[in-house]
Amino acid sequence: AQKVTQAQTEISVVEKEDVTLDCVYETRDTTYYLFWYKQPPSGELVFLIRRNSFDEQNEISGRYSWNFQKSTSSFNFTITASQVVDSAVYFCALSEDSGNTPLVFGKGTRLSVIA
Amino acid sequence: EAGVAQSPRYKIIEKRQSVAFWCNPISGHATLYWYQQILGQGPKLLIQFQNNGVVDDSQLPKDRFSAERLKGVDSTLKIQPAKLEDSAVYLCASSLANRRASGAGEQFFGPGTRLTVL
Repeated sequence: AQKVTQAQTEISVVEKEDVTLDCVYETRDTTYYLFWYKQPPSGELVFLIRRNSFDEQNEISGRYSWNFQKSTSSFNFTITASQVVDSAVYFCALSEDSGNTPLVFGKGTRLSVIA
Repeated sequence: EAGVAQSPRYKIIEKRQSVAFWCNPISGHATLYWYQQILGQGPKLLIQFQNNGVVDDSQLPKDRFSAERLKGVDSTLKIQPAKLEDSAVYLCASSLANRRASGAGEQFFGPGTRLTVL
């Protein structure tokens, strides 16, 4: 069975600090996809990134970066120089095979960025 | 491009009443999902459609929940009768069906319907 664990329930940082959100996953599939979504107070889930299991290249996009390590089954997300607008709940998710299958979500990490 | 639309945004009902939610996916998206998100948790799948056929409804409580997707576009999710534990946000998402298409697998979510059962 697939499982996603986000051990950090809540994180609070001061604006401009860097913050890393942890994600550990379990799956028996050899091909799978990993995702990060952001859920601001408005409630809508916003897609941030997708990675397939064959692509361990880490990525940087603006202030966001992702660290995918199959050896430790982790897919961590870092925000550099955090801003108040980054305050939201962040979800890590996993789907099998093609990715066009249901997402299995972690419980989410609530990030509060204080000015 | 218009996103996934859902209505209503909020609904308050008493237990044992019935309620229905509506979802209009992104144009051209053949796959549609309904998720239930209980406060403090991540969304959990209720049902997945591809066009107007059900792909996965193994986690749908079929004694009280039903869903349909007529003509492979809009979808409705119904709860009858509602229980207190059904209080949650109900999220609709859609994605492209073609696994080889660019962006395949990325699910786009609607704003959700927040249901409160008293």
